[in-house]
Amino acid sequence: SQQGEEDPQALSIQEGENATMNCSYKTSINNLQWYRQNSGRGLVHLILIRSNEREKHSGRLRVTLDTSKKSSSLLITASRAADTASYFCATDASSGGSNYKLTFGKGTLLTVNP
Amino acid sequence: GAGVSQTPSNKVTEKGKYVELRCDPISGHTALYWYRQSLGQGPEFLIYFQGTGAADDSGLPNDRFFAVRPEGSVSTLKIQRTERGDSAVYLCASSPSGGLHTQYFGPGTRLTVL
Repeated sequence: SQQGEEDPQALSIQEGENATMNCSYKTSINNLQWYRQNSGRGLVHLILIRSNEREKHSGRLRVTLDTSKKSSSLLITASRAADTASYFCATDASSGGSNYKLTFGKGTLLTVNP
Repeated sequence: GAGVSQTPSNKVTEKGKYVELRCDPISGHTALYWYRQSLGQGPEFLIYFQGTGAADDSGLPNDRFFAVRPEGSVSTLKIQRTERGDSAVYLCASSPSGGLHTQYFGPGTRLTVL
């Protein structure tokens, strides 16, 4: 079952613009991670934010986490055509001892037009 | 250093046949995970190994699916009597140990059952 739900499902922007993707989840978590996937193949880890963190930056990426709303956002600034990919949020459960088990959303397909 | 590798990258088989998918984790990583990703969906957890043992196989869909990791390194996912519904990308990931660690994904094996 999918724990996270990304929105929008698809996003098309022009190069240089910012892209914001959102993720909502259902149960309490330890961490939330964002991954990128090109052409339906391997996932590349982008950033991990812990449940006691509210914001994290990595290069052009900014992630926020609101545990009270069970939601996260990923902001990509100054987008490039190479950022075109699907983006997934993944959560791990904070209870039941299964914090190794990532649960992914359906993803947001980002298209950056040159 | 080398990342997670998976072979073959593509596998086409006929309904009813047996297939084996191989995963080579990052050297030194004790935790290994298999996920399955259907078209338009996020990856779904199948099984988690800590060392040689399957610590959690709750995601395996039925008893046609089996995975081994005999020496605590390479893992093989085995699917018997394949069905068309098994068609998906099978992703392997590894991490330094289980629990709250980033999982590093391989490029996946795209399985097509005709």
